[in-house]
Amino acid sequence: EAQVTQNPRYLITVTGKKLTVTCSQNMNHEYMSWYRQDPGLGLRQIYYSMNVEVTDKGDVPEGYKVSRKEKRNFPLILESPSPNQTSLYFCASTTREGGEETQYFGPGTRLLVL
Amino acid sequence: SQKIEQNSEALNIQEGKTATLTCNYTNYSPAYLQWYRQDPGRGPVFLLLIRENEKEKRKERLKVTFDTTLKQSLFHITASQPADSATYLCALNLSGGYNKLIFGAGTRLAVHP
Repeated sequence: EAQVTQNPRYLITVTGKKLTVTCSQNMNHEYMSWYRQDPGLGLRQIYYSMNVEVTDKGDVPEGYKVSRKEKRNFPLILESPSPNQTSLYFCASTTREGGEETQYFGPGTRLLVL
Repeated sequence: SQKIEQNSEALNIQEGKTATLTCNYTNYSPAYLQWYRQDPGRGPVFLLLIRENEKEKRKERLKVTFDTTLKQSLFHITASQPADSATYLCALNLSGGYNKLIFGAGTRLAVHP
């Protein structure tokens, strides 16, 4: 089954304690993204990756890092989480066919930073 | 400024009626527009894509229109069912911007039996 998986699904942490949210896709897609979703604001892109070792900032990259060492994995790293990073996070994997892109989203990770 | 607007208030309709959701945007030139469905606690699921040169696209009970002059897309669900209750998101893909989707905040649809 084609899917995007994220772990953990729920996480409570404290300010300043480094954490990593993993993302993995089994569709051999080159393109992957991380979004955060906050009430009333919609999904906002944090970082994206066009291929292995190729990453770039999205609209809200501050406080986040990513890496893409393998095609299937795209972890999101919060080096020093702060309460304003409390949010719902989604990883997405993108297919591009006929010039059109379709994103497949993971199930989400709900993060609470105290 | 650039923005995408979807009705923030929930849309409540009776089962069997047609639900119409609106997505308006300003100061963007999208290459195409997508609609997603999102259930509580789940990731968005792709429904339909419509290009800038297409006026209308259909998929089963779903229909999307795209008016680049009005800068508006309408999303219709005909013969709505309680199982259609969810939040629906529109997203613009900006011209020339690969992997650059801009999402609206979504409209919650509630279909009542």
